Amino acid sequence: NAGVTQTPKFQVLKTGQSMTLQCAQDMNHNSMYWYRQDPGMGLRLIYYSASEGTTDKGEVPNGYNVSRLNKREFSLRLESAAPSQTSVYFCASSAQIGSNQPQHFGDGTRLSIL
Amino acid sequence: AQSVTQPDIHITVSEGASLELRCNYSYGATPYLFWYVQSPGQGLQLLLKYFSGDTLVQGIKGFEAEFKRSQSSFNLRKPSVHWSDAAEYFCAVGAGSNFGNEKLTFGTGTRLTIIP
Repeated sequence: NAGVTQTPKFQVLKTGQSMTLQCAQDMNHNSMYWYRQDPGMGLRLIYYSASEGTTDKGEVPNGYNVSRLNKREFSLRLESAAPSQTSVYFCASSAQIGSNQPQHFGDGTRLSIL
Repeated sequence: AQSVTQPDIHITVSEGASLELRCNYSYGATPYLFWYVQSPGQGLQLLLKYFSGDTLVQGIKGFEAEFKRSQSSFNLRKPSVHWSDAAEYFCAVGAGSNFGNEKLTFGTGTRLTIIP
C-alpha cells in the first residue's frame, strides 16, 4: 500500500553540488508532478509529466530538470544546487488525463543547501 | 491564470468548537476545487473535491465544503473539531484546457491549532 514513494527523505548539499530526487508510484497513474513547498508560499509546481514520455514546465522550473523514466518513476535533478533551492520537495501522481481523480502525494524530501 | 487566496494564516479553535476555513479563488471558467490537509512531516492528503453538481460536498474526517460561485469561495467547515485535526490546510484550484486536475494552484495554507 505504498502509493507515492520519495527518496531520500532528507538531504544536505553544498552549493554547486548536484543531486537527483527520486519518486515512484505504484498506482498505475499516468501523470506525475514535482512541487516545492516554502514557508508562506504554499506549493508551487516545478515540472509535471502528463503521461509517460512527456514533461512540461510548471510555475518555477529554473534550476531543475526532470526525467520520466517510465510510467512509475519521475525524477527531479538539481544540476548545481543553490541556497535558494532549500525547500521541501513533494512528488505527486494522478490517474488518467481528463479524469476527475485527485493528486496523491509522497511524504516529501527535505533538502538543505549550504 | 488561476489563483487561490487563503486569508487566514493561522487559526486557533477550542476542541469541540466549530470550524470554518476560508478559501477564495480566481478562475475564468468553472473551477475544480480541492481541500488538502498536511500533518507535520507528512505529505498532503485529500479531504474533499468539487467538480460539478451539488455545491455542498462531503469529505473525509467529518469535513464539508460549500462552493459559492457568486462569492468565488470554497470554504471548509467542520461542526466539531478534534485535537487530531490540528494540521495545515490547503485549498487548491485545478485548471487546464484539456485536463481535469493536471495543474493545481495551491493557496498558502492555514495552520490550525486546537486548544483543550
